[in-house]
This record gives sequence, C-alpha cells and structure tokens, in this order.
Amino acid sequence: GENVEQHPSTLSVQEGDSAVIKCTYSDSASNYFPWYKQELGKRPQLIIDIRSNVGEKKDQRIAVTLNKTAKHFSLHITETQPEDSAVYFCAAALFSGGYNKLIFGAGTRLAVHP
Amino acid sequence: SAVISQKPSRDICQRGTSLTIQCQVDSQVTMMFWYRQQPGQSLTLIATANQGSEATYESGFVIDKFPISRPNLTFSTLTVSNMSPEDSSIYLCSTIGLPDVDTEAFFGQGTRLTVV
Repeated sequence: GENVEQHPSTLSVQEGDSAVIKCTYSDSASNYFPWYKQELGKRPQLIIDIRSNVGEKKDQRIAVTLNKTAKHFSLHITETQPEDSAVYFCAAALFSGGYNKLIFGAGTRLAVHP
Repeated sequence: SAVISQKPSRDICQRGTSLTIQCQVDSQVTMMFWYRQQPGQSLTLIATANQGSEATYESGFVIDKFPISRPNLTFSTLTVSNMSPEDSSIYLCSTIGLPDVDTEAFFGQGTRLTVV
C-alpha cells in the first residue's frame, strides 16, 4: 500500500523566514496531495492541495510543488508568522475501490518565533 | 463543503468496557473514514465505511475490536470494544469527495479517549 514519509519532524524558524516541509510517497498511482494544518486540540484543516497533473500551486504565502517523477512534494510557507505555528501533515490520496483514501505523513511541528 | 459533528468529544472509560463514537454529516457522502491519532502522532486510517456494506479495515485493525456501522449516507459509528489503556487516543471521523469533484477531506472534531 501507499507509504508517505515526511521531513523534518520539527522545524523552528524566526518570524518572517520561510519554512519548507518535504514529503515522499511510494505509490505512483496516487494523484492527489493535500496538506493539513492541525492546531493543538483541534481538527486537521486543509490549507492547500495539488493534483498530479499540476507541478505547482500557490495561495498567498503558501505554495506546494509536486515532482511526480521523483514522487515527492513540498510545502513552502513564506513570511512566516507566529500563528503559522502548528503541526502540518502531508497526505497522498490513492484512488482505490472507487474513492480516494488519504494516507498521512508523520507530521511536522512548526514553531515560528517572534 | 461538509460539516461533521462528532460525539462524544472526550471520555474516560474503564478497561474492558466499550465506547461508541458517533459522526453526523450535514450532507450525504459516499464514504466515511475513521482515523486514530495517538498523542503527538499522525493520523492512522482504521477503516473505510460505505453505506450498505461492511467496512473495509486497514492492516492491524479488525472488526471485532472496532465494529463500524453506516446505516445511511449521513451517519456512522465506531465502537472501541473491550478497551485497554493502549486504546487511549484521539479518534476522528472524516469524509472525502470523489476525485475531480470535491477531494477535500473534512474531519470531525475528534473524540479524546482515555482508558484507565
């Protein structure tokens, strides 16, 4: 089955710096790659996603890139702010049995220091 | 988008007992998913629930331990049976759309389970 690896497990940056989180996936059939932000005690929330037919997608300070050949995708956060501090999860969706099934990476705890 | 109401939000249970977690979605959805998130860890998929058929379990999870019901397109339950302290975790339900239609996954607020 699908396996998603995520690095780093923790990331500490100064406010205003950029943060990059990287993920690799194992199954070349996966075609949907979302990123979720989870604040302490709250449910995961989608922040950005990308499909396999797109190489890059941006939404204000957040961007995601996908390299299908290498089977890896990355989250880029620019001009980080303290409210970006949270755990970020990447995921890969494997379309199996007629539906998408999300497999998550281990998560990255991002701390943005003022 | 889908709004998922999950309850209970938390519970403390005695070992050997069972707890049923409920999820209600504000719209009809084909699939619902149940995840476990141990403290500081990622989300691990337990099973996928399709209305009108038995749930499909991931490796390491069995129906006797985690029976699931899916009586209609807006509701599902997960039971954690014969609980032990190792079952202490957060349990989340989720739904996701069909590819190329609405692939965003929405989550319930989670159930924090402590087994003593």
